[in-house]
Amino acid sequence: GAVVSQHPSRVICKSGTSVKIECRSLDFQATTMFWYRQFPKKSLMLMATSNEGSKATYEQGVEKDKFLINHASLTLSTLTVTSAHPEDSSFYICSTGRIKQNTEAFFGQGTRLTVV
Amino acid sequence: ILNVEQSPQSLHVQEGDSTNFTCSFPSSNFYALHWYRWETAKSPEALFVMTLNGDEKKKGRISATLNTKEGYSYLYIKGSQPEDSATYLCAFNAGNNRKLIWGLGTSLAVNP
Repeated sequence: GAVVSQHPSRVICKSGTSVKIECRSLDFQATTMFWYRQFPKKSLMLMATSNEGSKATYEQGVEKDKFLINHASLTLSTLTVTSAHPEDSSFYICSTGRIKQNTEAFFGQGTRLTVV
Repeated sequence: ILNVEQSPQSLHVQEGDSTNFTCSFPSSNFYALHWYRWETAKSPEALFVMTLNGDEKKKGRISATLNTKEGYSYLYIKGSQPEDSATYLCAFNAGNNRKLIWGLGTSLAVNP
């Protein structure tokens, strides 16, 4: 299966600063990257779907100006949490795969963000 | 609102025990059902993607069944081993927009 490398695995930042999370697809042409967020005792919730070379599609209730997604190449998608607040503290994880073709999703390792 | 339920939330078994978990999903607009295994500090790893009613899939000691008409899937682990300890997630693909809706998972702990 494909390998998705996500960095950083853990980050602590001050309120008001921005944090960038990277997901690299090492051996798979990731035309689509799914960005999820998971709060404690909750399920994975899709935030946005990024498509290589075009604008990301955001789920209802997710602010596109706060969660900036860039997917400039088939191997790299980034999520930037801008002006982070303590309520943005969560676990963020990316995945790619050809879901439309009913094949499996490949995940990064996840990023634990703590905003203090 | 599409909802995926998994039960039990957690399970503790002894090495060698066989166990099973349930994933319930909407029975309308079914497209696919995914099962993943998620070990702490690692990436979720795909186990099965199931699409047809009555599907049965097997990977080693782990197998899964699918009933799309009544909206449930079972995951079975035969002869549990400590390395099976993980959270098992299922995800439902309704097909209308091709995104996955995830359950909360079943956390399995296998005691040696």
